[in-house]
Amino acid sequence: LAKTTQPISMDSYEGQEVNITCSHNNIATNDYITWYQQFPSQGPRFIIQGYKTKVTNEVASLFIPADRKSSTLSLPRVSLSDTAVYYCLVGTYNQGGKLIFGQGTELSVKP
Amino acid sequence: GAVVSQHPSRVICKSGTSVKIECRSLDFQATTMFWYRQFPKKSLMLMATSNEGSKATYEQGVEKDKFLINHASLTLSTLTVTSAHPEDSSFYICSASKTGTGNNEQFFGPGTRLTVL
Repeated sequence: LAKTTQPISMDSYEGQEVNITCSHNNIATNDYITWYQQFPSQGPRFIIQGYKTKVTNEVASLFIPADRKSSTLSLPRVSLSDTAVYYCLVGTYNQGGKLIFGQGTELSVKP
Repeated sequence: GAVVSQHPSRVICKSGTSVKIECRSLDFQATTMFWYRQFPKKSLMLMATSNEGSKATYEQGVEKDKFLINHASLTLSTLTVTSAHPEDSSFYICSASKTGTGNNEQFFGPGTRLTVL
């Protein structure tokens, strides 16, 4: 499984756009990139998943360059409730494939 | 849909006792479930992969005789911490992979806080 590297922490202010970049230099051809959000004392919540280029949903956008060795999670106009830990994971798309969590990025949104 | 529940949400027990934690997929079938452990301010650590009707696959360093996993149905997996000790105190989280979707999106339970005195 490809290892991921993310910044340990980030600070932002309400209303700003936040971009969290994840490095995964050893990503395999069959690997997808998935981002999860976790609040304290809760289980992680799926945010977005992608394979290449750009993926957008109602919550976030995921940008993946052509070499796929990194990816960027973009959160538009964050609010205080977006304060959480964000995890970037790389793994097989196949059902039942295990996920290995890296250290995550602790995002703190200030008023 | 895709809700996963855990029971209990928190448990306090004496050292040496065994504790069972249940993980249920409420509105979908899950051939595969996963168990994680998370210490304060740390990331989730995968403990084992639980497949319905077969033995669980444990990650390196996880004692299978201490952390007993049973996945008897497509909606229920249980983790039993046997002879618990204070160092087993942690936040235990399960996740379930939806059967038949063809992708590995995992749905996580709310977690169980175990405190061993």
